[in-house]
Amino acid sequence: AQSVTQLGSHVSVSEGALVLLRCNYSSSVPPYLFWYVQYPNQGLQLLLKYTTGATLVKGINGFEAEFKKSETSFHLTKPSAHMSDAAEYFCAVTRGNQGGKLIFGQGTELSVKP
Amino acid sequence: EAGVAQSPRYKIIEKRQSVAFWCNPISGHATLYWYQQILGQGPKLLIQFQNNGVVDDSQLPKDRFSAERLKGVDSTLKIQPAKLEDSAVYLCASSGELTYEQYFGPGTRLTVT
Repeated sequence: AQSVTQLGSHVSVSEGALVLLRCNYSSSVPPYLFWYVQYPNQGLQLLLKYTTGATLVKGINGFEAEFKKSETSFHLTKPSAHMSDAAEYFCAVTRGNQGGKLIFGQGTELSVKP
Repeated sequence: EAGVAQSPRYKIIEKRQSVAFWCNPISGHATLYWYQQILGQGPKLLIQFQNNGVVDDSQLPKDRFSAERLKGVDSTLKIQPAKLEDSAVYLCASSGELTYEQYFGPGTRLTVT
């Protein structure tokens, strides 16, 4: 069965500092990987996705993530945090033969200090 | 392009009462998903529709939850009777053909007292 583990339920950074949110997955077949962001009282918004091809993927709002098969990881990064980045972030995985069903991690709450 | 619409946004009911949530997906999206998000957890799939057929309802508590998508467009999720542990945000999402990108609605926050 597939699963997703996000290391750290809460991450706090200073404005302008590097953001690193960790995600590890388990899958017996090549996965499709996603990062979503959720602002308070809102639905989930897709930040970026990896399906095939280039392992470094760029998303919206300056975020990027790198698929590392050998480490079964898909960590999310942003070089310089902004106050507006404060939100809950979810890593998710699916397989092509699952018809798009997403398996989510438990989420990481990002706080940004002025 | 309009996004996924959900109503109501908030609902408070007492245990053993019934409740229904409505979702209208993005126009043309054949696949519709209902997720349950309990506080502090990631969303969990309850049911997935492809047009008006059920693809996956393995995680749906069928003794109390039901869902339908009669005309392959909008969908309704019902809980009857509700339990305290059903307190959660219910998210609807949709996706188009040949894509795994899911677009989420704002969710319905259910509180069962």
